[in-house]
Amino acid sequence: DVKVTQSSRYLVKRTGEKVFLECVQDMDHENMFWYRQDPGLGLRLIYFSYDVKMKEKGDIPEGYSVSREKKERFSLILESASTNQTSMYLCASTTPGANVLTFGAGSRLTVL
Amino acid sequence: QKEVEQNSGPLSVPEGAIASLNCTYSDRGSQSFFWYRQYSGKSPELIMFIYSNGDKEDGRFTAQLNKASQYVSLLIRDSQPSDSATYLCAVNPPSGTYKYIFGTGTRLKVLA
Repeated sequence: DVKVTQSSRYLVKRTGEKVFLECVQDMDHENMFWYRQDPGLGLRLIYFSYDVKMKEKGDIPEGYSVSREKKERFSLILESASTNQTSMYLCASTTPGANVLTFGAGSRLTVL
Repeated sequence: QKEVEQNSGPLSVPEGAIASLNCTYSDRGSQSFFWYRQYSGKSPELIMFIYSNGDKEDGRFTAQLNKASQYVSLLIRDSQPSDSATYLCAVNPPSGTYKYIFGTGTRLKVLA
């Protein structure tokens, strides 16, 4: 089974802190995604990466950056956390052609 | 803005009944359609995907796609209390993009 692992399930941070969310997949998938999920708004794409060091902005990239130095690892960075970034963050991966997103367990971030 | 719409529910059905979940999408060029189940506090997990018009069955689940009406549905036969969850419809726009568009989900409650 494809496994997508998010290193932190629950985080509590202060406004202005730098936050790193890590995601690792073990199936050699080219494509990796970061979404955030908020009640009533559904899943919204933050960033997408289709190869090492390659990235594309999603629908809500403001306030976020990403890093993909290795194929299996895709990191989401909040340079200066704000309270409106309190959310559930979901990492996912897929292989071109398969089109099926496999999600990690999620990281619930609270910014105080 | 390309959209995927679902009734938020809750949809309540008695145990053993058929649950019918519906989804409409606006991009007529969409090619792949997915149903994910999400338990409270957990990440989405794939139930089924469908690419072609018609029905696709997998155990108690049947996905139905009607591209002319831009409509996709999920039927759950012999509903069980363990089926109580939020069901997300997702649509993959025309090939060459990786922007899966998610509906906000329908909450299903199966009453014992």
